[in-house]
Amino acid sequence: AQSVAQPEDQVNVAEGNPLTVKCTYSVSGNPYLFWYVQYPNRGLQFLLKYITGDNLVKGSYGFEAEFNKSQTSFHLKKPSALVSDSALYFCAVVVSGGYNKLIFGAGTRLAVHP
Amino acid sequence: KAGVTQTPRYLIKTRGQQVTLSCSPISGHRSVSWYQQTPGQGLQFLFEYFSETQRNKGNFPGRFSGRQFSNSRSEMNVSTLELGDSALYLCASSRFQDYGYTFGSGTRLTVV
Repeated sequence: AQSVAQPEDQVNVAEGNPLTVKCTYSVSGNPYLFWYVQYPNRGLQFLLKYITGDNLVKGSYGFEAEFNKSQTSFHLKKPSALVSDSALYFCAVVVSGGYNKLIFGAGTRLAVHP
Repeated sequence: KAGVTQTPRYLIKTRGQQVTLSCSPISGHRSVSWYQQTPGQGLQFLFEYFSETQRNKGNFPGRFSGRQFSNSRSEMNVSTLELGDSALYLCASSRFQDYGYTFGSGTRLTVV
C-alpha cells in the first residue's frame, strides 16, 4: 500500500537557524512528491513538488527539498527559519498513473521561536 | 487569477441531516478532488472527478457522494450526517495530468 510518513509530530527551531522537516514514502511506481503548508483555519498552500529531473527542488518562501530515491525520502529544508514559518506542514505523494489521488503524511507542526 | 472557491466556509448541521458542499475550480482546471481533514485521521482522499466522471474514490461509506458539472464545478453530498463527519472538507483542482494541485480554503462542517 502507498504511504507517506512524517516521523516528527512537531519540530522546534530558533529563528534564524536552519530547519528540516522529514518525509519518507513508500509507493510502487514512480512517485511525484509534494510539500504543502497549512495555516490555522485555512486550506493547503503549495510549497514545492518533485516530478522528475534535478533531485534538489526549490520552492516558495525560500524552502527547498531533496528527493533521495535510495532512502525514499523527500525532506523539506530552509536555511534560515522565520517566526512566520510556524505552521502545519504536509508531505504528499501521487503515484504516476494513479490519477489525482494525493496520499498525505500525518503532518508536522513547525514552531519557530524568536 | 481567481483561486479555488469553496462554499460555504462554515456549516453547522444536526445528526441525520444531509449537506451539500460546493467547489469552483480555477478556470481551465478540469479535475477536482475532495479531501476530508480531521484531527484523528488526517487528510484522506474522498474522490476525484474529471470531465463529469468520477475517476477514483477513497474508502468512505456510500453516504458520501459527489458530482461534477459541465463547467467543472463540483459538489459533494453527505447524507445521514454523523458526529464523526465533522471535519474540514477541502477540494483541489488541477489541469489534466498537470500534477499542480491548488486547494481551496475549505468548508468547516460541524455536526451536532
